[in-house]
Amino acid sequence: GAGVSQTPSNKVTEKGKYVELRCDPISGHTALYWYRQSLGQGPEFLIYFQGTGAADDSGLPNDRFFAVRPEGSVSTLKIQRTERGDSAVYLCASSSTSGKNTGELFFGEGSRLTVL
Amino acid sequence: GENVEQHPSTLSVQEGDSAVIKCTYSDSASNYFPWYKQELGKRPQLIIDIRSNVGEKKDQRIAVTLNKTAKHFSLHITETQPEDSAVYFCAASRKAAGNKLTFGGGTRVLVKP
Repeated sequence: GAGVSQTPSNKVTEKGKYVELRCDPISGHTALYWYRQSLGQGPEFLIYFQGTGAADDSGLPNDRFFAVRPEGSVSTLKIQRTERGDSAVYLCASSSTSGKNTGELFFGEGSRLTVL
Repeated sequence: GENVEQHPSTLSVQEGDSAVIKCTYSDSASNYFPWYKQELGKRPQLIIDIRSNVGEKKDQRIAVTLNKTAKHFSLHITETQPEDSAVYFCAASRKAAGNKLTFGGGTRVLVKP
């Protein structure tokens, strides 16, 4: 596609439920990132994929959070037993690791998660 | 890990004046420093970046300076216009490609006509 696509754009769930957020990166981008942005704050790093493997998952806050990218393209962020503190906008970004725009993160519009 | 501090958190300027945003970082191994602009309800977008082998970079009305010794870098916007109103984020990482970016807390810039 032309840009990074994230679904759903909005998700409201109840405390304790399971949530999946999907990211479809720019075609050909091998690097994919998940960030979390709370109101009035900068994006907080969660996890980075290079191809199919998680190259750095040091930002995942606890074992309720998990992400996969099985074919090196689409990624899913999974949150188990959601808590009210998980409410935020979850941003996905992809980047090229070669060429003129190396390093530039192209962000999606984000998935706004609200846990009631 | 890397820690990026950004100041001020809000900045109000008159149209046509300059705006300056400053960031400090903690990891002396950081070598890549981009700036992202996020308009209300929109995704962050890269506006300029600088690598550690240069001290200054300019692109039309925006410029970024880097002081590696002091571990700080700044964004300068000259001749501000209402469309410059947005939240600006600085960030740092050890390399441009294939490495996580650590973002500052953001600066909300309001350009008053």
